[in-house]
Amino acid sequence: SAVISQKPSRDICQRGTSLTIQCQVDSQVTMMFWYRQQPGQSLTLIATANQGSEATYESGFVIDKFPISRPNLTFSTLTVSNMSPEDSSIYLCSVARGTGDQYFGPGTRLTVT
Amino acid sequence: QQQVKQSPQSLIVQKGGISIINCAYENTAFDYFPWYQQFPGKGPALLIAIRPDVSEKKEGRFTISFNKSAKQFSLHIMDSQPGDSATYFCAASTDGSSNTGKLIFGQGTTLQVKP
Repeated sequence: SAVISQKPSRDICQRGTSLTIQCQVDSQVTMMFWYRQQPGQSLTLIATANQGSEATYESGFVIDKFPISRPNLTFSTLTVSNMSPEDSSIYLCSVARGTGDQYFGPGTRLTVT
Repeated sequence: QQQVKQSPQSLIVQKGGISIINCAYENTAFDYFPWYQQFPGKGPALLIAIRPDVSEKKEGRFTISFNKSAKQFSLHIMDSQPGDSATYFCAASTDGSSNTGKLIFGQGTTLQVKP
């Protein structure tokens, strides 16, 4: 498995501001993923982050809104930019092991007012 | 074609009973099918996963049944306990044998096990 931590665990932000979420893994991984889970809903992939290359975004998500950094094999950040109340969600990072298994962090609970 | 359809949306089971959650998919390229358990305020935890080369996989009280021809798979929780009360998500991905596959999630099932 993997030990994954996220910071912050929760935040309340004002409309129009930005928040950067950090994801730290206890061992080196090639692939990291960022998901969004809207209240009471399922998980939707935002982007895939490879170390040393640009993140790959899913349909409906753009780099200007959700810039991602992946400076090394154990760390990634997701920024939620120019926030609106519709961005209120849980943001989760996950990592994949060579078996295909994916493990999730505890999530960052974001409320935009 | 990328969807994974999960049912039921909610499920109430008596303690000691069997909980059954079903998922169906269309994309025959999917080759990895995990189940996740999520408690309120927590991230999803990987429970058990299966690949199409087997029809069943069991880990403790949790069993995945897989029907490749019907493009369906299900989670069975035997001897359900109140501590199993959580939301369960099925998922599917391609490239399951590597670490590059992105997960497509079902809509989730909220399970309540009554004591």
